Amino acid sequence: NAGVMQNPRHLVRRRGQEARLRCSPMKGHSHVYWYRQLPEEGLKFMVYLQKENIIDESGMPKERFSAEFPKEGPSILRIQQVVRGDSAAYFCASSPLVGAGGYTFGSGTRLTVV
Amino acid sequence: AQTVTQSQPEMSVQEAETVTLSCTYDTSESDYYLFWYKQPPSRQMILVIRQEAYKQQNATENRFSVNFQKAAKSFSLKISDSQLGDAAMYFCAYRSEDQAGTALIFGKGTTLSVSS
Repeated sequence: NAGVMQNPRHLVRRRGQEARLRCSPMKGHSHVYWYRQLPEEGLKFMVYLQKENIIDESGMPKERFSAEFPKEGPSILRIQQVVRGDSAAYFCASSPLVGAGGYTFGSGTRLTVV
Repeated sequence: AQTVTQSQPEMSVQEAETVTLSCTYDTSESDYYLFWYKQPPSRQMILVIRQEAYKQQNATENRFSVNFQKAAKSFSLKISDSQLGDAAMYFCAYRSEDQAGTALIFGKGTTLSVSS
């Protein structure tokens, strides 16, 4: 039973390019969350999605960032026109439909903007 | 809004000794969940222990236990018989019980070093 799969593990982009981060939740999990971790900081919530629906995007920057979780395929976090300040580790977590368990996290994608 | 505070940026312990990591939180809710996550250098976030606020009994998982003081809004993690593999960053996290899918709120973390 594979865990939460994130790819790529490392991503380097030049300023102005687009970054696409992928997350496949654990089998049986229908809730996906994206978090961002800046250096020496804890994880900050960005967005919560269910299949084909964005449930809570209160942590997403208003511009350049978007997320989707299509009916088929992984969840995608997309950052357009990246800037140096976007450099961070981006984590995806998933949870089952109901339950009080802690979420299962992926290993994260380290985005470096040069 | 809920907040989670970890007041110890760094802690150190010797092998086989016991260490306690502090966490306080602020909430007006009565039902919620609290978690401790471990993040080793590999960056993987690993769930260490979980506590439901409605349970008075403190959660334990092998060498890991918590001291949950609901009135004081305190949730400390005790690691007994520390091992070199315990060296990592530890994050305290809060989750509301309102909805099944509510996001976690994290503290800034405590870096734990273990010496032999």
